[in-house]
Amino acid sequence: QSALTQPPSASGSPGQSVTISCTGTSSDVGGYKYVSWYQQHPGKAPKLIIYEVTRRPSGVPDRFSGSKSGDTASLTVSGLQAEDEADYYCSSYAGSNNHVFGSGTKVTVL
Amino acid sequence: EVQLVESGGVVVQPGGSLRLSCAASGFTFNDYVMHWVRQPPGKGLEWVSLITWGGGGTYYADSVKGRFTISRDNNKNSLFLQMNNLRIEDTAFYYCTKGRGSSTTSSFDYWGQGTLVTVSS
Repeated sequence: QSALTQPPSASGSPGQSVTISCTGTSSDVGGYKYVSWYQQHPGKAPKLIIYEVTRRPSGVPDRFSGSKSGDTASLTVSGLQAEDEADYYCSSYAGSNNHVFGSGTKVTVL
Repeated sequence: EVQLVESGGVVVQPGGSLRLSCAASGFTFNDYVMHWVRQPPGKGLEWVSLITWGGGGTYYADSVKGRFTISRDNNKNSLFLQMNNLRIEDTAFYYCTKGRGSSTTSSFDYWGQGTLVTVSS
């Protein structure tokens, strides 16, 4: 499977919002409700922040929100904070018991 | 508290073999799908393999199919990845991850700290 397409970088000032796209195909993102997002700080393991397109695990701030339209999913981080500076990866179920990750987006808080 | 602790990462020559282990605690291990995800240093994440809660179903990324074997021991709350015929491009941090549920479609809700496998001559 080919990796889902994410922009390499995104940035915003504290308090602003940033939106990251994740583009796949009808065989993955567009075909299932199983899109998730992960935050990874340098030298750390990834952390689940959104699952099933829009759901947040317990403890994840509501500043993080997810959506999907067609073959493209999006993650929006509202009210940017310094600790939001990290790499973000999307992932989707891709059928036949396979999963695929996005290429990753580095978010910089200016 | 859910904990996943990987071990077994070392430097190995191309063509060699290696077995990774993951010790799980803090949840009912045999209720959940488990996965391996890898990340080459400085690069992105790649899903590698999953195993169903009972161990009867195993699935692989095309890049490792036929070379890697995932298994689990529910009596010992342990997950394994047998890696054979290793290639330089298999060099990566390997993460043990817990599925969010018992379905193979579920996301990865807990991750270990990763173990580094380096394939080099």
